[in-house]
Amino acid sequence: EADIYQTPRYLVIGTGKKITLECSQTMGHDKMYWYQQDPGMELHLIHYSYGVNSTEKGDLSSESTVSRIRTEHFPLTLESARPSHTSQYLCASSDVWVEQFFGPGTRLTVL
Amino acid sequence: QKEVEQDPGPLSVPEGAIVSLNCTYSNSAFQYFMWYRQYSRKGPELLMYTYSSGNKEDGRFTAQVDKSSKYISLFIRDSQPSDSATYLCAMSEGNTPLVFGKGTRLSVIA
Repeated sequence: EADIYQTPRYLVIGTGKKITLECSQTMGHDKMYWYQQDPGMELHLIHYSYGVNSTEKGDLSSESTVSRIRTEHFPLTLESARPSHTSQYLCASSDVWVEQFFGPGTRLTVL
Repeated sequence: QKEVEQDPGPLSVPEGAIVSLNCTYSNSAFQYFMWYRQYSRKGPELLMYTYSSGNKEDGRFTAQVDKSSKYISLFIRDSQPSDSATYLCAMSEGNTPLVFGKGTRLSVIA
């Protein structure tokens, strides 16, 4: 069983608030990822990291930012939440691109 | 045209049926082909992946890749209610981001 954790699982917040979605993994994986998933739509990669102090933007434009100060931790931050940010956010980690282990997701609703 | 096309369903089958799930793609550089299963309110989990063309079997699951047709399939034999989930195909050129299909929602009725 994959040991990757996301908190909070559900978040309802007002417009303009700053939020941080947490993601931690205990598998020692170098690579970590953030995806956005809307109902009936593809997973879209928004950020990824090859290792500590490495972050890259994915194929989906996002107003969020990420940091990778520790191998096991990859938080995602939205400085000012908007209703268009309402979505499910999935964190994943892996040794290689093709075998990614996903967390349970954070379902974000911005009012 | 999207890089990966997958019929979102929903697909409803009786218990014990053989299920066929499919994806087509347009990028001939894809080399790795994956199937993920996602239960409601959970993250996806990797079922199996294949490299290049051919078949791969794991228990009741068989993955097939036909690179000449740019078509991949996942077969589920003797389907069970516990197989009810959304199945996502994903593809990659190798050390590159995965490209996902929209997922097919499957219900297996007891």
